Amino acid sequence: SQQGEEDPQALSIQEGENATMNCSYKTSINNLQWYRQNSGRGLVHLILIRSNEREKHSGRLRVTLDTSKKSSSLLITASRAADTASYFCATDDETSGSRLTFGEGTQLTVNP
Amino acid sequence: DAGVTQSPTHLIKTRGQQVTLRCSPKSGHDTVSWYQQALGQGPQFIFQYYEEEERQRGNFPDRFSGHQFPNYSSELNVNALLLGDSALYLCASSFSETQYFGPGTRLLVL
Repeated sequence: SQQGEEDPQALSIQEGENATMNCSYKTSINNLQWYRQNSGRGLVHLILIRSNEREKHSGRLRVTLDTSKKSSSLLITASRAADTASYFCATDDETSGSRLTFGEGTQLTVNP
Repeated sequence: DAGVTQSPTHLIKTRGQQVTLRCSPKSGHDTVSWYQQALGQGPQFIFQYYEEEERQRGNFPDRFSGHQFPNYSSELNVNALLLGDSALYLCASSFSETQYFGPGTRLLVL
Protein backbone atom coordinates (compact mmCIF):
# COMPACT_ATOMS: atom_id res chain seq x y z
CA SER A 1 0.00 0.00 0.00
CA GLN A 2 1.13 3.56 -0.60
CA GLN A 3 2.28 5.42 2.48
CA GLY A 4 2.79 8.80 0.89
CA GLU A 5 0.14 10.91 -0.68
CA GLU A 6 1.11 13.78 -2.92
CA ASP A 7 -0.97 16.87 -3.28
CA PRO A 8 -1.99 18.12 -5.76
CA GLN A 9 -2.27 15.20 -8.19
CA ALA A 10 -1.68 17.60 -11.08
CA LEU A 11 -0.29 21.13 -11.29
CA SER A 12 -0.02 23.38 -14.32
CA ILE A 13 1.96 26.64 -14.16
CA GLN A 14 3.71 29.13 -16.43
CA GLU A 15 7.45 29.21 -16.90
CA GLY A 16 9.10 31.40 -14.27
CA GLU A 17 6.47 30.69 -11.61
CA ASN A 18 7.14 28.66 -8.47
CA ALA A 19 5.70 25.17 -8.02
CA THR A 20 4.89 23.67 -4.65
CA MET A 21 4.07 20.01 -4.13
CA ASN A 22 3.12 18.41 -0.84
CA CYS A 23 3.53 14.92 0.52
CA SER A 24 1.97 13.31 3.58
CA TYR A 25 2.96 10.02 5.14
CA LYS A 26 1.72 7.79 7.94
CA THR A 27 4.56 6.24 9.94
CA SER A 28 7.72 7.44 11.67
CA ILE A 29 10.46 7.81 9.11
CA ASN A 30 14.24 7.75 8.91
CA ASN A 31 14.30 10.01 5.89
CA LEU A 32 12.23 11.28 2.99
CA GLN A 33 13.38 11.57 -0.59
CA TRP A 34 11.99 13.34 -3.63
CA TYR A 35 12.33 11.92 -7.12
CA ARG A 36 11.46 13.17 -10.61
CA GLN A 37 10.23 10.96 -13.44
CA ASN A 38 9.97 12.03 -17.06
CA SER A 39 7.40 10.27 -19.25
CA GLY A 40 7.51 6.83 -17.60
CA ARG A 41 11.29 6.58 -17.58
CA GLY A 42 13.53 5.92 -14.59
CA LEU A 43 13.39 8.03 -11.45
CA VAL A 44 15.96 10.76 -10.90
CA HIS A 45 16.93 11.43 -7.30
CA LEU A 46 16.45 15.08 -6.35
CA ILE A 47 17.02 15.46 -2.64
CA LEU A 48 17.05 13.51 0.64
CA ILE A 49 16.01 15.04 3.94
CA ARG A 50 16.55 13.22 7.21
CA SER A 51 13.98 13.05 9.99
CA ASN A 52 16.04 15.39 12.19
CA GLU A 53 16.25 18.06 9.46
CA ARG A 54 13.58 20.67 8.81
CA GLU A 55 14.71 22.25 5.55
CA LYS A 56 17.13 21.52 2.76
CA HIS A 57 18.12 23.34 -0.42
CA SER A 58 19.61 22.17 -3.69
CA GLY A 59 19.81 24.68 -6.52
CA ARG A 60 16.24 25.76 -7.33
CA LEU A 61 14.79 23.10 -5.02
CA ARG A 62 13.73 23.65 -1.44
CA VAL A 63 12.37 20.81 0.67
CA THR A 64 10.79 21.13 4.08
CA LEU A 65 9.88 18.38 6.52
CA ASP A 66 7.45 18.58 9.41
CA THR A 67 7.58 15.30 11.31
CA SER A 68 4.89 16.42 13.76
CA LYS A 69 2.44 16.73 10.85
CA LYS A 70 4.04 13.86 8.91
CA SER A 71 4.33 16.03 5.83
CA SER A 72 6.90 17.42 3.43
CA SER A 73 6.85 19.98 0.66
CA LEU A 74 8.95 20.43 -2.45
CA LEU A 75 9.29 23.93 -3.86
CA ILE A 76 10.72 24.48 -7.33
CA THR A 77 11.54 28.12 -7.90
CA ALA A 78 11.67 29.91 -11.26
CA SER A 79 10.28 26.86 -13.07
CA ARG A 80 11.32 25.91 -16.59
CA ALA A 81 9.58 23.89 -19.28
CA ALA A 82 12.20 21.18 -18.66
CA ASP A 83 10.82 20.76 -15.12
CA THR A 84 7.70 19.18 -16.62
CA ALA A 85 7.60 15.70 -15.06
CA SER A 86 6.01 13.59 -12.33
CA TYR A 87 7.37 14.17 -8.84
CA PHE A 88 7.28 11.49 -6.15
CA CYS A 89 8.06 11.50 -2.48
CA ALA A 90 9.41 8.29 -0.96
CA THR A 91 9.83 7.42 2.68
CA ASP A 92 12.20 5.06 4.39
CA ASP A 93 10.63 4.24 7.72
CA GLU A 94 11.92 2.84 10.98
CA THR A 95 10.18 -0.53 10.68
CA SER A 96 10.77 -1.32 7.03
CA GLY A 97 14.47 -0.61 6.82
CA SER A 98 15.75 0.76 3.54
CA ARG A 99 12.77 -0.14 1.36
CA LEU A 100 11.16 2.96 -0.11
CA THR A 101 7.43 3.58 0.03
CA PHE A 102 6.21 5.96 -2.68
CA GLY A 103 3.21 8.17 -3.05
CA GLU A 104 1.28 8.36 -6.30
CA GLY A 105 3.01 11.47 -7.50
CA THR A 106 2.25 14.98 -8.68
CA GLN A 107 2.22 15.61 -12.43
CA LEU A 108 3.75 19.04 -13.00
CA THR A 109 3.32 20.80 -16.32
CA VAL A 110 5.30 23.98 -16.93
CA ASN A 111 3.97 25.90 -19.91
CA PRO A 112 6.48 27.96 -21.93
CA ASP B 1 30.88 6.29 -14.26
CA ALA B 2 27.90 4.37 -15.62
CA GLY B 3 24.73 4.65 -13.66
CA VAL B 4 22.28 1.85 -13.05
CA THR B 5 21.58 -0.09 -16.24
CA GLN B 6 18.69 -2.41 -17.01
CA SER B 7 17.93 -4.81 -19.83
CA PRO B 8 15.92 -5.22 -21.89
CA THR B 9 14.23 -1.82 -22.27
CA HIS B 10 10.97 -3.30 -23.54
CA LEU B 11 9.50 -6.78 -23.52
CA ILE B 12 6.27 -8.35 -24.74
CA LYS B 13 5.15 -11.68 -23.32
CA THR B 14 1.95 -13.70 -23.26
CA ARG B 15 0.05 -14.93 -20.22
CA GLY B 16 1.63 -17.94 -18.55
CA GLN B 17 5.12 -17.27 -19.83
CA GLN B 18 8.16 -16.53 -17.71
CA VAL B 19 10.40 -13.46 -17.90
CA THR B 20 13.84 -12.47 -16.60
CA LEU B 21 14.87 -8.86 -16.19
CA ARG B 22 18.44 -7.78 -15.51
CA CYS B 23 20.06 -4.95 -13.58
CA SER B 24 23.62 -3.75 -13.17
CA PRO B 25 24.12 -1.44 -10.20
CA LYS B 26 26.05 1.78 -10.06
CA SER B 27 29.76 1.28 -9.43
CA GLY B 28 30.46 0.85 -5.71
CA HIS B 29 26.88 -0.04 -4.80
CA ASP B 30 26.21 -3.36 -3.10
CA THR B 31 22.43 -3.30 -2.62
CA VAL B 32 19.84 -3.75 -5.34
CA SER B 33 16.11 -3.17 -4.96
CA TRP B 34 13.35 -3.91 -7.45
CA TYR B 35 10.11 -1.95 -7.85
CA GLN B 36 7.01 -2.39 -9.98
CA GLN B 37 5.28 0.72 -11.31
CA ALA B 38 1.84 0.36 -12.86
CA LEU B 39 0.66 3.09 -15.19
CA GLY B 40 -0.28 6.27 -13.35
CA GLN B 41 0.89 4.99 -9.96
CA GLY B 42 3.94 5.24 -7.78
CA PRO B 43 6.51 2.44 -7.66
CA GLN B 44 5.80 -0.51 -5.36
CA PHE B 45 8.65 -2.32 -3.60
CA ILE B 46 9.13 -5.94 -4.69
CA PHE B 47 12.31 -7.02 -2.88
CA GLN B 48 15.86 -6.06 -2.03
CA TYR B 49 19.12 -7.99 -2.35
CA TYR B 50 22.28 -7.56 -0.35
CA GLU B 51 25.27 -9.90 -0.21
CA GLU B 52 23.48 -12.24 -2.64
CA GLU B 53 20.55 -12.74 -0.29
CA GLU B 54 17.00 -11.40 -0.27
CA ARG B 55 17.00 -8.98 2.63
CA GLN B 56 13.47 -7.59 2.42
CA ARG B 57 10.36 -8.45 0.47
CA GLY B 58 7.23 -6.50 -0.34
CA ASN B 59 3.71 -7.80 -0.81
CA PHE B 60 4.30 -9.75 -4.00
CA PRO B 61 3.52 -13.44 -4.64
CA ASP B 62 6.16 -16.15 -4.91
CA ARG B 63 5.89 -15.93 -8.70
CA PHE B 64 8.29 -13.03 -8.28
CA SER B 65 11.80 -14.18 -7.45
CA GLY B 66 15.24 -12.75 -7.77
CA HIS B 67 18.92 -13.29 -7.54
CA GLN B 68 22.01 -11.26 -6.87
CA PHE B 69 25.39 -12.26 -8.28
CA PRO B 70 28.84 -11.82 -6.69
CA ASN B 71 29.41 -8.73 -8.87
CA TYR B 72 26.23 -7.23 -7.29
CA SER B 73 24.20 -7.40 -10.51
CA SER B 74 20.71 -8.77 -10.11
CA GLU B 75 17.90 -10.53 -11.92
CA LEU B 76 14.16 -10.39 -11.40
CA ASN B 77 12.20 -13.44 -12.53
CA VAL B 78 8.45 -13.57 -12.90
CA ASN B 79 6.74 -16.91 -13.56
CA ALA B 80 3.24 -17.64 -14.86
CA LEU B 81 2.75 -14.09 -16.11
CA LEU B 82 -0.64 -12.44 -15.65
CA LEU B 83 -2.09 -9.50 -17.54
CA GLY B 84 -1.77 -7.49 -14.33
CA ASP B 85 2.01 -7.93 -14.37
CA SER B 86 2.19 -5.40 -17.20
CA ALA B 87 4.17 -2.51 -15.74
CA LEU B 88 7.46 -0.65 -15.66
CA TYR B 89 9.99 -2.60 -13.59
CA LEU B 90 12.58 -0.43 -11.95
CA CYS B 91 15.85 -1.44 -10.41
CA ALA B 92 17.59 0.76 -7.85
CA SER B 93 21.05 0.43 -6.39
CA SER B 94 22.43 1.93 -3.22
CA PHE B 95 25.34 1.96 -0.82
CA SER B 96 23.73 4.13 1.85
CA GLU B 97 20.28 5.74 2.12
CA THR B 98 19.97 7.16 -1.39
CA GLN B 99 18.66 4.77 -4.03
CA TYR B 100 19.59 5.45 -7.65
CA PHE B 101 17.22 4.13 -10.27
CA GLY B 102 17.80 2.65 -13.68
CA PRO B 103 15.71 3.52 -16.76
CA GLY B 104 13.40 0.56 -16.22
CA THR B 105 12.10 -2.33 -18.29
CA ARG B 106 8.60 -1.94 -19.68
CA LEU B 107 6.84 -5.30 -19.68
CA LEU B 108 3.63 -5.85 -21.60
CA VAL B 109 1.73 -9.09 -21.01
CA LEU B 110 -0.83 -10.00 -23.68
